[in-house]
Amino acid sequence: ETGVTQTPRHLVMGMTNKKSLKCEQHLGHNAMYWYKQSAKKPLELMFVYSLEERVENNSVPSRFSPECPNSSHLFLHLHTLQPEDSALYLCASSQDRGDDQPQHFGDGTRLSIL
Amino acid sequence: SQKIEQNSEALNIQEGKTATLTCNYTNYSPAYLQWYRQDPGRGPVFLLLIRENEKEKRKERLKVTFDTTLKQSLFHITASQPADSATYLCALDRYALNFGKGTSLLVTP
Repeated sequence: ETGVTQTPRHLVMGMTNKKSLKCEQHLGHNAMYWYKQSAKKPLELMFVYSLEERVENNSVPSRFSPECPNSSHLFLHLHTLQPEDSALYLCASSQDRGDDQPQHFGDGTRLSIL
Repeated sequence: SQKIEQNSEALNIQEGKTATLTCNYTNYSPAYLQWYRQDPGRGPVFLLLIRENEKEKRKERLKVTFDTTLKQSLFHITASQPADSATYLCALDRYALNFGKGTSLLVTP
């Protein structure tokens, strides 16, 4: 079992819809991350939260809005997405924020924009 | 610009042989380098972390080397098995992980 659970696993939405991706970690970690994985591209870091505060936002369009209500939960709110936003969205957590920390990933939400 | 390069072509090897995957980087000075495994439809799974002052790290059949002069890490799987077939990702940076595109490994019986 992964320790990081993402729901839903698959999501199909139109460009005008609003939806949210959910991530929950049961590992007691203090840092959580959102990544985007597109075909033929490396994982792209989108957002980093440390102790529930956003510490990094890698020039992500405003149609993606993260929320971290507590250290165990992370959301990615989606609205007015574009076809190029179709991808696998991965959530990860680590004990603390830092590059010496292994990251634990969920299995992702496969997002398709019609 | 910063780059992380991994073998772009899939690596096919026979069961029992040693698989060697390469990760080269430019314009980074990483303190750590990590390797992950990713299976189709799943998230990456952490395998090994190596620090800049470590030349080599081992875990069971896995071995990682880190040469900061060559700006290269090699990832070895000895006595490879079909179950080792997956995509392997390297990741590095001083402040936030940046990933390579990964190398697909196929181990055939």
